[in-house]
Amino acid sequence: GENVEQHPSTLSVQEGDSAVIKCTYSDSASNYFPWYKQELGKGPQLIIDIRSNVGEKKDQRIAVTLNKTAKHFSLHITETQPEDSAVYFCAAYNFNKFYFGSGTKLNVKP
Amino acid sequence: GAVVSQHPSRVICKSGTSVKIECRSLDFQATTMFWYRQFPKQSLMLMATSNEGSKATYEQGVEKDKFLINHASLTLSTLTVTSAHPEDSSFYICSAKGTGPPGELFFGEGSRLTVL
Repeated sequence: GENVEQHPSTLSVQEGDSAVIKCTYSDSASNYFPWYKQELGKGPQLIIDIRSNVGEKKDQRIAVTLNKTAKHFSLHITETQPEDSAVYFCAAYNFNKFYFGSGTKLNVKP
Repeated sequence: GAVVSQHPSRVICKSGTSVKIECRSLDFQATTMFWYRQFPKQSLMLMATSNEGSKATYEQGVEKDKFLINHASLTLSTLTVTSAHPEDSSFYICSAKGTGPPGELFFGEGSRLTVL
């Protein structure tokens, strides 16, 4: 089956700096890669996603890049704000299943 | 994005009782819903996949007789924790997959179950 690895497990940045979270996957059949933000005590919220036929996607301060050859994808958050502090999960989708990374706790210091 | 409503958000019950958690897709039809369990500071553990009108597919190690899943309609799936024990205390999250391949996955707000 698919195996998704996510790094780092924790990330601390100063407000205004950029944050990058990286994920790798093992199954080349995976074709959809969403990113989720989970705040304490809440369910994950979809923040951006990318499909396998696209290399990069941007939505305001967040962007995702995908390298199919290397089987890795990354989340980039620019101009971080304290409200960006949360746990972020990457996921890979194939055969009607989503496989999640282990999560990254992002702490944005004011 | 699409809205998935999960209820109740918090529930406390006594050992031996059963608890039902509902998951509804409010503005789209979800042919597939997933149920996850999340332990503190850990990732999402898939428990089962439910497809409307058919039996749920459980992941290895998940007791299907303890965690009963019903997907009666395109907008509603339920998880019933039967004969709950303190070790069943956890954060349970449902999700619903949108239409189209591959459909986006939207999560409910989660249900915190505490078994006394």
